[in-house]
Amino acid sequence: AQSVTQLGSHVSVSEGALVLLRCNYSSSVPPYLFWYVQYPNQGLQLLLKYTTGATLVKGINGFEAEFKKSETSFHLTKPSAHMSDAAEYFCAVSGGLGGAQKLVFGQGTRLTINP
Amino acid sequence: ETGVTQSPTHLIKTRGQQVTLRCSSQSGHNTVSWYQQALGQGPQFIFQYYREEENGRGNFPPRFSGLQFPNYSSELNVNALELDDSALYLCASSLGREETQYFGPGTRLLVL
Repeated sequence: AQSVTQLGSHVSVSEGALVLLRCNYSSSVPPYLFWYVQYPNQGLQLLLKYTTGATLVKGINGFEAEFKKSETSFHLTKPSAHMSDAAEYFCAVSGGLGGAQKLVFGQGTRLTINP
Repeated sequence: ETGVTQSPTHLIKTRGQQVTLRCSSQSGHNTVSWYQQALGQGPQFIFQYYREEENGRGNFPPRFSGLQFPNYSSELNVNALELDDSALYLCASSLGREETQYFGPGTRLLVL
């Protein structure tokens, strides 16, 4: 079985500051890991994903995440926050179920950017 | 290239009624997955359809059912609606069962 824990339901940073959103996962098989962003009243947009290979993954809008197997973590970072980054962020792990890529999501982290 | 689309955008139903939600997958995608996102929660997997057959189901009762059509569009049907069914229903399509999922904008269902 797979599970995801996102540490901090709300994170607030100043514009221009570092963004760090934490995600820890549990998986009985080698995981595929994802970060999605959800803007108000919209669906989910893929930010980045880790499947295999390089553990530092770069995504859209300047975000990146590092897969750390020893820590079972996949934290999301961005060096300098922008007002447009304010949104809900979801970490997800894929779960194999007879070949189906069932995504298991965390509870989400709401990111607020202060001017 | 058209992304994933869903209809309707919003819907209000009363307890006990039935509802059908629709999803058009992204061009070339043969797999559709449905998720339920309750207010303030992360999405939860309902089921996945691959080439018109159900290919995995989450912890949802049988009154949640689905279909996938030859053009790979899909429907989610919910019978005997309950108040707790109020949520955002998200559809995601992918190139295959184990490929990256791309989400539509969702259908917001309110059950009164």
